[in-house]
Amino acid sequence: QSVLTQPPSASGTPGQRITISCSGSSSDIGGNTVNWYQQFPGTAPKLLIYRNNQRPSGVPDRFSGSKSGTSASLVISGLQSEDEAVYYCAPWEDSLNGPLFGGGTSLTVL
Amino acid sequence: QVQLQESGPGLVKPSQTLSLTCTVSGGSISSGPYDWSWIRQPAEKRPEWIGRIYTSGRTNYNPSLKSRVTILLDTSKNQFSLQLSSVTAADTAIYYCAREMIRFGQYDYMDVWGKGTTVTVSS
Repeated sequence: QSVLTQPPSASGTPGQRITISCSGSSSDIGGNTVNWYQQFPGTAPKLLIYRNNQRPSGVPDRFSGSKSGTSASLVISGLQSEDEAVYYCAPWEDSLNGPLFGGGTSLTVL
Repeated sequence: QVQLQESGPGLVKPSQTLSLTCTVSGGSISSGPYDWSWIRQPAEKRPEWIGRIYTSGRTNYNPSLKSRVTILLDTSKNQFSLQLSSVTAADTAIYYCAREMIRFGQYDYMDVWGKGTTVTVSS
């Protein structure tokens, strides 16, 4: 089973643009779409981005996603204090036959 | 608006079987294009997908847990359940149930999650 690598932490000031990366392999990101989840302390993960770059209804358009090769990125433009959360990438993984979660990136808004 | 709610014992003794139920409200568990999954998350760790059940009753399990996991569907009660046998302290986690969207017959994403239930394995 592969390993998805995310930076453990990220930070930015209000209004700033921030990018969270997710690095994988051909058996996950490279061959499948990537979903991103946002999790606040004590709550369940919430779908933030699906199919690499699609936003569910209700997710602000300052959240965007992209994928290139075996890497994916989540971009938050116009950072806000309420964006403080942990962000997980989660592509399908072929040998798992299910979603594989990255290690998560804890975002701090300074 | 579909909602999911996990229920079950919060404390399980080592070597016993963990049993949880997920109740689906606001929609039929038999309707598509969805299937139903269990995910767990140990404290301060990443979520781990446990397995899924399709409305046909077919299941897929995480290979690392396959020998100990059973997921069942009860359409009459609009519920699905998780059984994890021979538990150890390593199975202590928050357990979530979730709805998986299916697209072209394959997994797409998990769009509705329960709030989660904490299960501790301890004697």
